[in-house]
Amino acid sequence: GNSVTQMEGPVTLSEEAFLTINCTYTATGYPSLFWYVQYPGEGLQLLLKATKADDKGSNKGFEATYRKETTSFHLEKGSVQVSDSAVYFCALTGANSKLTFGKGITLSVRP
Amino acid sequence: KAGVTQTPRYLIKTRGQQVTLSCSPISGHRSVSWYQQTPGQGLQFLFEYFSETQRNKGNFPGRFSGRQFSNSRSEMNVSTLELGDSALYLCASSADTDTQYFGPGTRLTVL
Repeated sequence: GNSVTQMEGPVTLSEEAFLTINCTYTATGYPSLFWYVQYPGEGLQLLLKATKADDKGSNKGFEATYRKETTSFHLEKGSVQVSDSAVYFCALTGANSKLTFGKGITLSVRP
Repeated sequence: KAGVTQTPRYLIKTRGQQVTLSCSPISGHRSVSWYQQTPGQGLQFLFEYFSETQRNKGNFPGRFSGRQFSNSRSEMNVSTLELGDSALYLCASSADTDTQYFGPGTRLTVL
């Protein structure tokens, strides 16, 4: 079946630091890939997505590139802000519409 | 457009009771999916409804059920509540089989 593996957390960074959150996946066929973010006490917000190999999703300074050869979808941001503190989930959809999520990683950004 | 709405936002029940949660999708979206989020198991898919029909189902016991109405609003029901059913229940709507948009969730506590 499909699976998503995210790097272990939590991650603590200083403001304006560079962020990388690793995500790799296992899936049959050609899944669509997503990053969702969850702020305390809230639901999930779609951050970005990519639907085919070499696509780059981007939003609010975050980027991720669909790498089929390495089955990866790493999330990056050049300069994080305190307001980016949240839990980040990597996810995929396969042939059906079910989302398969990674375990999530907590990011804390210090001023 | 208004986002996905879920009611109620918080619920406290006792073991053995049943509960019904409601979800109103984004206008025009015909697919509604439900997920359970717990600290131990993470985000798990419950089921998906499309045009009033259950299209996909996750690995949850029969105590978990759902339905969708002609206006695409959906409800999920959990009967004979157990302590382990305490979780954040998230609803997501989609216009297609790909990108899902989440509501704020219903926090269920079973005492």
